[in-house]
Amino acid sequence: QFVLTQPPSVSAAPGQKVSISCSGSSSNIGNNYVSWYQQLPGTAPKLLIYDNNRRPSGIPARFSGSKSGTSATLGITGLQTGDEADYFCGSWNSGENVLYVFGSGTRVTV
Amino acid sequence: QVHLQESGPGLVRPSETLFLTCTVSGASVSSDSYYWSWIRQSPGKGLEWIGCHHSSGSTFYHPSLKGRVAIFLDASKNQFSMRLTSVTAADSAVYSCAAILTAIAAGYASWGQGTLVGVSS
Repeated sequence: QFVLTQPPSVSAAPGQKVSISCSGSSSNIGNNYVSWYQQLPGTAPKLLIYDNNRRPSGIPARFSGSKSGTSATLGITGLQTGDEADYFCGSWNSGENVLYVFGSGTRVTV
Repeated sequence: QVHLQESGPGLVRPSETLFLTCTVSGASVSSDSYYWSWIRQSPGKGLEWIGCHHSSGSTFYHPSLKGRVAIFLDASKNQFSMRLTSVTAADSAVYSCAAILTAIAAGYASWGQGTLVGVSS
């Protein structure tokens, strides 16, 4: 169902680091830009990363993004309990009249 | 900063039409800088991009909903709306309006709080 594939869940202890992968294709990640979103329970998604690796104002440097080929990765260092949330990748898409696609989502447990 | 707020019914009967409106502040829906979008999320599930409308008149819809969904702008009220016809239980979800800059590196920086829609008789 989801064009972009993410692991269902990752976990780590406070202060540790996690990496979340996002796998797509040449129609999306491979030839377009990736964003990452954080969704805390009961809230709207929040933009964490855009343009593959840029952070909007106010987003801590603990959050980082990278892209290679048709895959992207979100890294979170210095994990805090407040980072427990669902994380989604997103990408512009070049095919099938779908302008934008999201990943399946990853639950981060601290 | 763009602020978005959804409004609409919380319950719709099967086979009927869902109509949701998003009121925009901080930007004009007539601006050519944004794609005005709708995104939904079924309980416990991921985000599903529904479609978007640009002030130029260009519209894009997810193929799985094409034929049932339409998104249109009302510049006089600075709103944009979504119409989804022939709804079924599978259309029950939290529906969010969102805005994304047309710059292709951009992400969805502005979201409404979301509105829960159930489909039931």
